[in-house]
Amino acid sequence: GAVVSQHPSRVICKSGTSVKIECRSLDFQATTMFWYRQFPKQSLMLMATSNEGSKATYEQGVEKDKFLINHASLTLSTLTVTSAHPEDSSFYICSARDPVGAEKLFFGSGTQLSVL
Amino acid sequence: DAKTTQPNSMESNEEEPVHLPCNHSTISGTDYIHWYRQLPSQGPEYVIHGLTSNVNNRMASLAIAEDRKSSTLILHRATLRDAAVYYCILRDRTSYDKVIFGPGTSLSVIP
Repeated sequence: GAVVSQHPSRVICKSGTSVKIECRSLDFQATTMFWYRQFPKQSLMLMATSNEGSKATYEQGVEKDKFLINHASLTLSTLTVTSAHPEDSSFYICSARDPVGAEKLFFGSGTQLSVL
Repeated sequence: DAKTTQPNSMESNEEEPVHLPCNHSTISGTDYIHWYRQLPSQGPEYVIHGLTSNVNNRMASLAIAEDRKSSTLILHRATLRDAAVYYCILRDRTSYDKVIFGPGTSLSVIP
C-alpha cells in the first residue's frame, strides 16, 4: 500500500520554541492530508485538513496561528507548532487518502512532541 | 460522519478467534465501513473495509449485518502482535470528508 512518512518521530524542545513536523507521501500524490493529535490513553483528535495549494481547514477550537499548516506540494505537508508550551506535548499524526480510491487512509508513524 | 459505538476494551487468548463488534445504527446508504488499528506508539493502520457484503483479507474478515446497522471485525487467530486499539469508522463514498475517530476498542491478547 501507499506509504506516508512522518518526521521526526520524536522531538524534545524548550518552551517558547517552534517545532516543524513533516509529512510526506512517498509513492503517491496527496492533495489532501489530515493532522491529528493524540493524548495518552485517548483517541485521535482531528486538528485540521491540509489542502495542497490552499489554506488548511481547522477544526473548532484549534488555533490556526499556533498550529501552522503548509501544504506546498502534492507530496509534503508540514505542521509547525509555534511558541510551544508544555500543554502542546502530544503525539501528532498525519494521514493521507488512498489516491486509488475506496477512501482508505494511510497514516504516518507519528511524532511524539515533548515541550520542557 | 455517522456515529459508531464500540466496547471500550476486550480480551482474547492467543491463537483464538476474536470478534470485535461495532454498532452504526445511523449509517447511510453511501457509507463504507472501515476498520483501522493502532499499535502502541504508532500511527493507525488500515485493516479492512466493506459496504454491504462480507469481506476477507490477509489481516481479518469483516462481517456486515444485513441491515448494515452493525458489523464485526474478525481476527481468526489472535497473536500478541494484534494487541492494539481497533477503530470502526464510517466513510462516505460520495465525498472526501474528514475522518473522526471514536474511542475504539482496546484489545488485549493473553499469552
